[in-house]
Amino acid sequence: GNSVTQMEGPVTLSEEAFLTINCTYTATGYPSLFWYVQYPGEGLQLLLKATKADDKGSNKGFEATYRKETTSFHLEKGSVQVSDSAVYFCALRAHAGKSTFGDGTTLTVKP
Amino acid sequence: EAGVVQSPRYKIIEKKQPVAFWCNPISGHNTLYWYLQNLGQGPELLIRYENEEAVDDSQLPKDRFSAERLKGVDSTLKIQPAELGDSAVYLCASSKGGGQGNTGELFFGEGSRLTVL
Repeated sequence: GNSVTQMEGPVTLSEEAFLTINCTYTATGYPSLFWYVQYPGEGLQLLLKATKADDKGSNKGFEATYRKETTSFHLEKGSVQVSDSAVYFCALRAHAGKSTFGDGTTLTVKP
Repeated sequence: EAGVVQSPRYKIIEKKQPVAFWCNPISGHNTLYWYLQNLGQGPELLIRYENEEAVDDSQLPKDRFSAERLKGVDSTLKIQPAELGDSAVYLCASSKGGGQGNTGELFFGEGSRLTVL
C-alpha cells in the first residue's frame, strides 16, 4: 500500500534559521503530493501541493519539489518566523482518491 | 465561504457509552471524509463518501462504528459502545470530488476530541 515517511521531530529553530523537513513516499503510479499545516488550536490546512514530477509547490515562503527519482517532497523555508510554529504533515493522494498522511513534524521557532 | 464545521469540539464520556459526531462540509463539496487522528500521528481514513454513497469504509471498525450521510450533505459518525482506545481526535474533511483535473485538496474541520474514561 501507499505510505508517507516524515523526518522525526520535534524540530526547534531560532528565528530566521533555514528549515528542511524531509518527506519520502511509497506509491504506485503518480500521486499528487501535499504539505498540510496545523497551527495550534486549528484544523489542518493546505500549505502547498504538486501534482506531477518536477513541479514545485510554494506558499508563504515555503517550497517543496516533487522528486520522482528519489520519491521525495522535502519542505523548505529560507528564514522561519515564530508564527511558523506548527505541525506539518506530508501527504499523498492516489488517483483512486485515497489520501495517505505522514505522522507530522512539530516545528517550534524561538525568537 | 464557510469552512467545514464539526461538533462537538470536545467530548468526555465513560467507556461503553455511545457518542456521535456531526460534520457539515463546505457547500458544493461532494466528497466527505472521516479521519481518526491519534496523538503524535497523522490522520487515518475511516470512511469516504461520494455524495451519499460510502465508497471506502474498509478501515471503519464496523462492530462499533457507524456513519451516515443521508442527503449527501452533512454526516454523522457514531461509536457505540466506546472503548478506552477510542480516545482520539475525529476529523472531518471535504473536497470537490473525483474526476480528472481535481488535485484532491482536502479541507478539514477543527476536529472533535474524544476522551473515553
